[in-house]
Formats: sequence, structure tokens, C-alpha cells
Amino acid sequence: NAGVMQNPRHLVRRRGQEARLRCSPMKGHSHVYWYRQLPEEGLKFMVYLQKENIIDESGMPKERFSAEFPKEGPSILRIQQVVRGDSAAYFCASSPPDRSSYEQYFGPGTRLTVT
Amino acid sequence: QKEVEQDPGPLSVPEGAIVSLNCTYSNSAFQYFMWYRQYSRKGPELLMYTYSSGNKEDGRFTAQVDKSSKYISLFIRDSQPSDSATYLCAMNKGSTLGRLYFGRGTQLTVWP
Repeated sequence: NAGVMQNPRHLVRRRGQEARLRCSPMKGHSHVYWYRQLPEEGLKFMVYLQKENIIDESGMPKERFSAEFPKEGPSILRIQQVVRGDSAAYFCASSPPDRSSYEQYFGPGTRLTVT
Repeated sequence: QKEVEQDPGPLSVPEGAIVSLNCTYSNSAFQYFMWYRQYSRKGPELLMYTYSSGNKEDGRFTAQVDKSSKYISLFIRDSQPSDSATYLCAMNKGSTLGRLYFGRGTQLTVWP
């Protein structure tokens, strides 16, 4: 059973460009979460999605950031007009629907560098 | 005050030592408590979870939760160099929202 997959693993963008990060959950998992890890900081929750629904986006910055989890295909975290402060590791996690409180499995992350 | 506090270390111990890692929290609504291990430049790996107060053992790892003190611990027995990693505690309020609250992580080095 393949784990959570994220791509790209590394992404370099210039200020003002758009970044698209993709996440494919584990087989059988219908819940997806995005977290951001800044240097010397812990993981911070951004958004929680189920297929075609945003359940909780309370951790998402109000501007420039959006996320989706379509009926078909991976979940996408989109950052428009990136700034240097967006440089971080972005992790996706997935869980089975009945164990979302305590069984979240993480992908390898996408390391975004904004130059 | 952060909702979850964790001493970042670093913690350095010899092989075979017993390691104690700890977190404190302020929100009494937390119901589930997890420990993750994260190797350098990798994703976090779920080690164990505990519901409410009590102990849970899995091989060389023991997780303890004391809700009255808002304090959780992870013990590693017979530590190995391969245990060298950053250990993250995480908590969840047990609702359907699924959001995890993480500590900063403790960096552990086990030297041979």
C-alpha cells in the first residue's frame, strides 16, 4: 500500500509567481490535511478537506492561498503571488474517515523556496 | 501562551539509555495525543497515539498521558542510534474536525 505522495518534492519560485503543490492520499483515505513547517517551528495546520469539500480552513492565510480536493485527482494547495515568507516545507496528511482524530499519515513534503 | 509546549532540546544520550520526551498543553479539550518521529528532511511518521489519560506500550516505546497535569511523555527504552530524529507531540480535540496541534519537536541524538 503506497503511502501519501506529494509532488514536487522541491519547488523554486520567484517572488510573484504561483506555486502548486499536489498531494495524493493513501488508498482508501478520503480526508486530506495540509500543514506548513517553517524553520525552527513546529507543524502548523492550514486546511482540512474531504472530496469536493473544505471542512476547516481556519489555518489558511486569508489571501493568496487556496486548496481543493476534487472528485478525481490529487488535492492541490495553491499559493498565488508567492513572497519570501512563503518559503517552508508543506506537508500533506491523509486519514481514513473514521479515524481522523488520531491516525493521520504524512507525505514526504514539498520544500518551497521563494527567491 | 502556545497551546502545546515542547522543549526543542537538543537532547544527546548514549546508546542503550532510556529517553524521556515531554510536552505540556493548556487546552483541556484535547482528547487524543500522538507522537511522531521525523527524520531530517522527511515527513513525520506516526509512532503512537493515546486516547485520554493512561499508558500505552509498543515495543521499546511507552506513551503516558496525565490529563490532570496536562502533561504527556514518550519513553524510549534501550535507545539506538537509529532513534536519532526529531520527536513531535501532537494533540486533537477529538471532534470531527481532525486538526492536529503540534509541539515544536525535540531533537534527539543517540550516540554509539
